[in-house]
Amino acid sequence: DQQVKQNSPSLSVQEGRISILNCDYTNSMFDYFLWYKKYPAEGPTFLISISSIKDKNEDGRFTVFLNKSAKHLSLHIVPSQPGDSAVYFCAASGAGSARQLTFGSGTQLTVLP
Amino acid sequence: ETGVTQTPRHLVMGMTNKKSLKCEQHLGHNAMYWYKQSAKKPLELMFVYSLEERVENNSVPSRFSPECPNSSHLFLHLHTLQPEDSALYLCASSQEMGLNYGYTFGSGTRLTVV
Repeated sequence: DQQVKQNSPSLSVQEGRISILNCDYTNSMFDYFLWYKKYPAEGPTFLISISSIKDKNEDGRFTVFLNKSAKHLSLHIVPSQPGDSAVYFCAASGAGSARQLTFGSGTQLTVLP
Repeated sequence: ETGVTQTPRHLVMGMTNKKSLKCEQHLGHNAMYWYKQSAKKPLELMFVYSLEERVENNSVPSRFSPECPNSSHLFLHLHTLQPEDSALYLCASSQEMGLNYGYTFGSGTRLTVV
């Protein structure tokens, strides 16, 4: 049973527009959430994170929103650039048995020029 | 050299072969991890080492055998694998085990079992 779900395997967006990647989780022990970006032939690289005490964290063009009641988080990229084309993984961790990072299956983002 | 380095980048092996994957980190991290990434699936945590001691084994078959001789090196020994074991194997490290510390990943070893 997947505890972190990314239900959209792929997303295409026009350059300059907003990209919104979604992630849902089921484990209420999760209290820290991260997004990783992965290019082909490279390992995932950390992008942005958010603690459960916040509902928004912004870093340049990237903003992560957390809705704890819905157990949902999203990553907004605006404006989207062709170099943002990659696979984006949502990950979560927490206390106790949830202390290790649990990843979603990823969303392939393609930004069209 | 900095970061997390994995060798080899690609590996093709027969089901009766024995091979090893190597991971090396130069970040001064105390925890290291092996993940498996199969197509269209989440990254699956296989093993966790903290201060060279294995602290977690996520029900991985015994044909995968990890070794952590020191805090900078991590190996994954492979023997009598199955074709369904073909995947991208990723090594990661973190300053401390668990939450709130970003993991640094290597580029992975693309394993094909024939």
